[in-house]
Parts: sequence; structure tokens; C-alpha cells
Amino acid sequence: EDQVTQSPEALRLQEGESSSLNCSYTVSGLRGLFWYRQDPGKGPEFLFTLYSAGEEKEKERLKATLTKKESFLHITAPKPEDSATYLCAGHYNTDKLIFGTGTRLQVFP
Amino acid sequence: EPEVTQTPSHQVTQMGQEVILRCVPISNHLYFYWYRQILGQKVEFLVSFYNNEISEKSEIFDDQFSVERPDGSNFTLKIRSTKLEDSAMYFCASKRAFYLNSPLHFGNGTRLTVT
Repeated sequence: EDQVTQSPEALRLQEGESSSLNCSYTVSGLRGLFWYRQDPGKGPEFLFTLYSAGEEKEKERLKATLTKKESFLHITAPKPEDSATYLCAGHYNTDKLIFGTGTRLQVFP
Repeated sequence: EPEVTQTPSHQVTQMGQEVILRCVPISNHLYFYWYRQILGQKVEFLVSFYNNEISEKSEIFDDQFSVERPDGSNFTLKIRSTKLEDSAMYFCASKRAFYLNSPLHFGNGTRLTVT
């Protein structure tokens, strides 16, 4: 069964303290790796799609990278408004996304 | 920016009752989905819908569930006889095309509470 695993479950950062979130995925059959942000009581908000190892995408303080077995979401100099749950999802040979359990990020001023 | 809208935001129902969750996908999108998230758990796929028929469904989507696109704008999820374990946040999602570079856009969900 295709799986997506995220770590850590929760992360507390001081404002400005850079860090990375990890997403491990079942390698066989992966067609795309997605990152979403989810705020409390809201639906997932699309951030990035990565297709192949070595690919990188950036948006403001966020940068997503993909290797042959993992993806990382790097957060540079985070601000309190970056606090949210970040979800990783894999798209395999069917038309559905398989989500990880997410990393709950809290950024303190 | 166009968005997926869902109503109601919160629905409370008694076990055994029927509920209909409603969604208005983004207007030029062709592929429609329902996902759910039980409190504290992963977002899980329920069903995908294209060209007025179900294209894929999960094991969760049993005979108690059905989907419909009754007109050109609405997309509904019906649960015929709700169970306590159906309590969850239900998300509608849509995308313009099947390609990977057409991302899935989610609504803000309907929180279903079955008592």
C-alpha cells in the first residue's frame, strides 16, 4: 500500500529560526508529490507540486525539494503567520492523493 | 480568486438520519472529489467524479454514500443513514484538468457531527 509519512509531528520555532519538515513516501509509482498548508478549521491550501528528484520550488519563505525517497519543506526565517499544519501528499497511479498526517508548525514571536 | 464553497459549515444530525453536504466547485473545473478528515487523523480520499460518473472510490465509500452533480454548478455528497463513525470534516475539492500540474483546490469543509 502506498504510504506518505511526515516528521516531526509538531515543531515549535522562534520567529526567524529556520528549519525543515520531512516527508517520506513510497517510491514506486509516484507521479507527483504535493505540499499543502492547512489552517485550523480550514481546507488544505495548495503550495507546491514536485515531479522529479532534484526539483525545487519556492514561494516566499518556503522552499520544497524532492529527492528519490523524501521531500523537504524548508522554512527560512519564519514568521508567526507561517504557523499552520503542513501536509504532504503523494499522487500515484490512481486519481487520488494520499496524505501524510502533517506537521503542526508553531512560530512564536 | 475563485474558490470551492461548501455548505453548511457545520451539520449536526442524529444517527440513522440522512444528510446531504453541498459544494460549489470552481466554475471551469471538470474533476470533483470528496475527502474527509476525522479529528486528529489524515485527510482521506472518498470519491472522484468526472463526466457525471464516479471514476474512483475508496473502501470507505460504501452503499451508504452517494454523489451527484444535479446541475451545472453543485456537487453533493449524501450519506443515507449516518453512523457515529461518520463524524468528521468533509472536504470537497476540484481541479481543472487531469494533469498533475492542475492542482487540487479544496473548500473549507463541512464539519459533520453525528449524535
